[in-house]
Amino acid sequence: AQKVTQAQTEISVVEKEDVTLDCVYETRDTTYYLFWYKQPPSGELVFLIRRNSFDEQNEISGRYSWNFQKSTSSFNFTITASQVVDSAVYFCALTTIKAAGNKLTFGGGTRVLVKP
Amino acid sequence: NAGVTQTPKFRVLKTGQSMTLLCAQDMNHEYMYWYRQDPGMGLRLIHYSVGEGTTAKGEVPDGYNVSRLKKQNFLLGLESAAPSQTSVYFCASSYLSGAGEAFFGQGTRLTVV
Repeated sequence: AQKVTQAQTEISVVEKEDVTLDCVYETRDTTYYLFWYKQPPSGELVFLIRRNSFDEQNEISGRYSWNFQKSTSSFNFTITASQVVDSAVYFCALTTIKAAGNKLTFGGGTRVLVKP
Repeated sequence: NAGVTQTPKFRVLKTGQSMTLLCAQDMNHEYMYWYRQDPGMGLRLIHYSVGEGTTAKGEVPDGYNVSRLKKQNFLLGLESAAPSQTSVYFCASSYLSGAGEAFFGQGTRLTVV
C-alpha cells in the first residue's frame, strides 16, 4: 500500500518570503511517480510537476523548485519569493508502476496563505 | 478543448435521495476516476475505471456506484444519500500508460441535509 504524508496543514507567510512544503511518501515498489498539484481558492486542481523514481535531479521552474530525495523518501516543494497568487492548497501525490489504473494516493494537503 | 467536465457543479440533497454525477472527458483517456475531498484528508479514491465497460473499487467505495458505458463518460451514483457523503467530488482522467498526470474536472460540491 502507498501512503503520502504532508505534515504541515497550514503555512502562513508574508509576501516575498520563501516557503517549503514537505512531502514524505511510503511505497514498496521501486518504480513510482510523484506529483504536486495546486488547488487555488477557485477549487480546481492544477498539475505542477511529475517525477519518476529514477530521476533524482532537482527541478526548478520559475519561482518553484522541487527537491527529491529517495534516501529520506521525500519530495519537497519550495516557492521562492512568494506572491499572494501562490495562496492555495498544495497536494503531493504518488502512484506506482504496479498501481492498477495509475491511481493516485494523495497527501492531506498543505494550505499556504501568502499575506501582502 | 473542454478537458474534463463535471455536472452539476453544486447540489443539495435530502437524506435518502438519489442522484448521479456525470463526468465527461474529450481527451480519449482510458483511465477515469472519482475522488472525494474532505478537509484535512486530501483526495480519496472512490471508484475508478481502466476502460470502457470496466469499473473497480477504490479506497472509499461504500454508498456509491459507478458506470462506464462509454469511454468518454464516467457516472457516479448515490442511491441513498447520507450526510457523511457531504463532500466535494472530483472526476479525473489519465492516459493508459506512463503514469502521466491526471486531469481533473472542476469539482461538484454536494451537501446532504
